[in-house]
Amino acid sequence: GIQVEQSPPDLILQEGANSTLRCNFSDSVNNLQWFHQNPWGQLINLFYIPSGTKQNGRLSATTVATERYSLLYISSSQTTDSGVYFCAVNRAGNNRKLIWGLGTSLAVNP
Amino acid sequence: GAVVSQHPSWVICKSGTSVKIECRSLDFQATTMFWYRQFPKQSLMLMATSNEGSKATYEQGVEKDKFLINHASLTLSTLTVTSAHPEDSSFYICSAGGGQPQHFGDGTRLSIL
Repeated sequence: GIQVEQSPPDLILQEGANSTLRCNFSDSVNNLQWFHQNPWGQLINLFYIPSGTKQNGRLSATTVATERYSLLYISSSQTTDSGVYFCAVNRAGNNRKLIWGLGTSLAVNP
Repeated sequence: GAVVSQHPSWVICKSGTSVKIECRSLDFQATTMFWYRQFPKQSLMLMATSNEGSKATYEQGVEKDKFLINHASLTLSTLTVTSAHPEDSSFYICSAGGGQPQHFGDGTRLSIL
């Protein structure tokens, strides 16, 4: 089955710093989503981005479907950005079942 | 935007009790919902796919008699953990999506004493 790899597994930043998180996937996909799981466990939809580039405030994401990777950019990080960032994908015809990466655990220090 | 409501947020109960968790799509219809389990510091693990009006499809290794799923309407799926034991303690999350993308409930933290 399709494999999803995220890097780095852990990241510590000083408030105000920028970062790039990466998601590699092993086969073509028709859905890719980035999520932020906050310390209370809530999963926040960040981007639905099977291809192209999107921006939302300090966050932006780019998916290069032909090269099978996606990047999540966090600029001017804040302590509230702390948590785990997950990438999840699914393939056409598999009933929308998402395949998850192991996540990047981000800690932003004041 | 699309909202998925999950209830309850927290459950603490004694071993042997059965616990029901509800997942509702508030502003859209969902023929398919998904139930996940998450252990501390791990990724989400798909337990089952809930199909409106038919039986759920369970992932390999998930006991269907332990985790009963009912999807009786286009807006409601329930997960019942039957005769729960401490090893069933975990964080359970549901998701739904009429198409793409999927939307997630806030999760249920289950603690069995």
